[in-house]
Amino acid sequence: EAGVAQSPRYKIIEKRQSVAFWCNPISGHATLYWYQQILGQGPKLLIQFQNNGVVDDSQLPKDRFSAERLKGVDSTLKIQPAKLEDSAVYLCASRIRDRITGELFFGEGSRLTVL
Amino acid sequence: AQSVTQPDIHITVSEGASLELRCNYSYGATPYLFWYVQSPGQGLQLLLKYFSGDTLVQGIKGFEAEFKRSQSSFNLRKPSVHWSDAAEYFCAVGAPENDYKLSFGAGTTVTVRA
Repeated sequence: EAGVAQSPRYKIIEKRQSVAFWCNPISGHATLYWYQQILGQGPKLLIQFQNNGVVDDSQLPKDRFSAERLKGVDSTLKIQPAKLEDSAVYLCASRIRDRITGELFFGEGSRLTVL
Repeated sequence: AQSVTQPDIHITVSEGASLELRCNYSYGATPYLFWYVQSPGQGLQLLLKYFSGDTLVQGIKGFEAEFKRSQSSFNLRKPSVHWSDAAEYFCAVGAPENDYKLSFGAGTTVTVRA
């Protein structure tokens, strides 16, 4: 089966510009997560979707970050305006909605550099 | 609150030698524990997971991990390391009660020398 797809893989922007990342989860996976991984740190959850609804966005800096999953499949994460500290890899993960396995499948990530 | 500590930032091991990566977790109930591996420029790949039952779990690529509740640990081991095992390893904790929102440790970078 196809894995989690993310694009773009790399993006370089200047501070105060905007950027958007796209994620296509594994087919049939109802739960989708966006994680931020700053260099030298473990991934940190930004937002979780269940189908097209937000389950948890408590860690999302809502003054500059936004995310949506309009049709319960693809998702977009946007940053506007970007700051230097937003330089990180943005990982998308998906999970089938069962309460047994709990395994998250990760995409390869989108690496953002803010200059 | 759930959290994970990986005490070792970087480990260097000779090819063919054994490897052990430490992981300590904090979680109020029965934890679901995971080890992921990340090669440079790649996403995270699941090595193994522990939900319940046998405390010694086997994973892919010859890795195993042992859950020790008394020590709040879930250490990862491999008897004989290959050069391709050079990567970053992350321990994570989650649970169905919080919809598997994983909390990750800071990671351990493994370097394999010939």
